[in-house]
Amino acid sequence: FMLTQPHSVSESPGKTVTISCTGNSGSIASNYVQWYQQRPGSAPTILIYEDIQRPSGVPDRFSGSIDSSSNSASLTISGLKTEDEADYYCQSYDGTSWVFGGGTKLTVL
Amino acid sequence: QVKLAESGGGVVQPGRSLRLSCAASGFTFGSYGMHWVRQAPGKGLEWVAIIWYDGSEKYYADSVKGRFTISRDNSKNTLYLQMNSLRVEDTAMYYCVITSGGYYGMDVWGHGTTVTVSS
Repeated sequence: FMLTQPHSVSESPGKTVTISCTGNSGSIASNYVQWYQQRPGSAPTILIYEDIQRPSGVPDRFSGSIDSSSNSASLTISGLKTEDEADYYCQSYDGTSWVFGGGTKLTVL
Repeated sequence: QVKLAESGGGVVQPGRSLRLSCAASGFTFGSYGMHWVRQAPGKGLEWVAIIWYDGSEKYYADSVKGRFTISRDNSKNTLYLQMNSLRVEDTAMYYCVITSGGYYGMDVWGHGTTVTVSS
């Protein structure tokens, strides 16, 4: 199965942005979706797990959601900061295969 | 604290082999599944392989199946990736990653080791 993300999004500091992750088959709600942030030159770090959960240390400006009607997951970042400029990846699995979305480059300008 | 230190990367010719290692510390290595994930230059993340906490189950991406082997030595707190018949398209940064508790996600990432396949 595949996960599709927009290649890029941009928004101004202080605003809110939403990044979508659409599954191409089955129900995205059937398996947990995770989100990762990768800043330039660094390894990815987990932002959201189990669709909506935030690991300790991740600000509550980051939130995840699932929309079964559109078979998609979303990452919403509110109160954008310049430090949020990074690549964001969604990820899910089907039990024997783990899949990433293509990644979304967020520009905060 | 949790630390994952990948090593073994380098430049290798197509068709040759390479073995990556990931030394783990700061957690009970033998209680967690582990992934290898790679990222080609300027590209997105690609899952490579996973091994269960006790080595009882292993799964591979289609792109590496039959060429790569994931293994672990819990007595040495070390994860391995044996890469055979390397191709130019295997050129990437390879990350060692701790699975989430339910094996569905990836909780902690190492800093990666670079593999370049080139003639």
